[in-house]
Amino acid sequence: EVQLVESGGGLVQPGGSLRLSCAASGFIFSGYGMHWVRQAPGKGLEDVSAISTNGDSTYYGDAVKGRFSISRDDSKSSLYLQMGGLRSEDTAVYYCVREGLARNFDLWGRGTLVTVSS
Amino acid sequence: DIQVTQSPSFLSASVGDRVTITCRASQGTGSYLAWYQQKPGKAPKLLIYAASTLQSGVPSRFSGSASGTDFTLTISSLQPEDFATYYCQQLNTYPPLTFGGGTKMEIK
Repeated sequence: EVQLVESGGGLVQPGGSLRLSCAASGFIFSGYGMHWVRQAPGKGLEDVSAISTNGDSTYYGDAVKGRFSISRDDSKSSLYLQMGGLRSEDTAVYYCVREGLARNFDLWGRGTLVTVSS
Repeated sequence: DIQVTQSPSFLSASVGDRVTITCRASQGTGSYLAWYQQKPGKAPKLLIYAASTLQSGVPSRFSGSASGTDFTLTISSLQPEDFATYYCQQLNTYPPLTFGGGTKMEIK
């Protein structure tokens, strides 16, 4: 089955760190750019971070630049998001997303909830 | 960054209605725009890409069109399962691939 499964979310205190993982299956992971998209409670979608097929190129939104780091391990068909200096405004569901043809987001995981609170 | 302004933000409609949602890009994006549907508690689902190409498995009552920097998602005859939130996304200038603010569609 073609799918993305996120893990690693949870409750963390402000200033803390968390590492999200995304396990891909059913497709050739190394052939796709990947993104992390988040959605704060009751809010819209935000493209937080992205990584190219070979990992050489990465993108970070202004809200997370300098605090988050995206990486991938093609040998494990896995995507990661290392999050540090977490703030209450980082509270959201984080989705692992595959970038398909014409850059559309054609495959989404179910998401993992990150809650930043004391 | 290219901004996309989506309207309306809220839409009340009845089963069988024809509805239209619009996105306007702050600059030219060619045909590089996608539409997604999101139901409560679920991940978004790709409906349309390249402004008017239906993703595999999406019912034909969904359609997309483009005119300059204006893009439209039309549902020809609303079904009960179509009540959801819809988002557009520009795919031209990368990164970021910015989303519109969303349109929440509810049953009248």
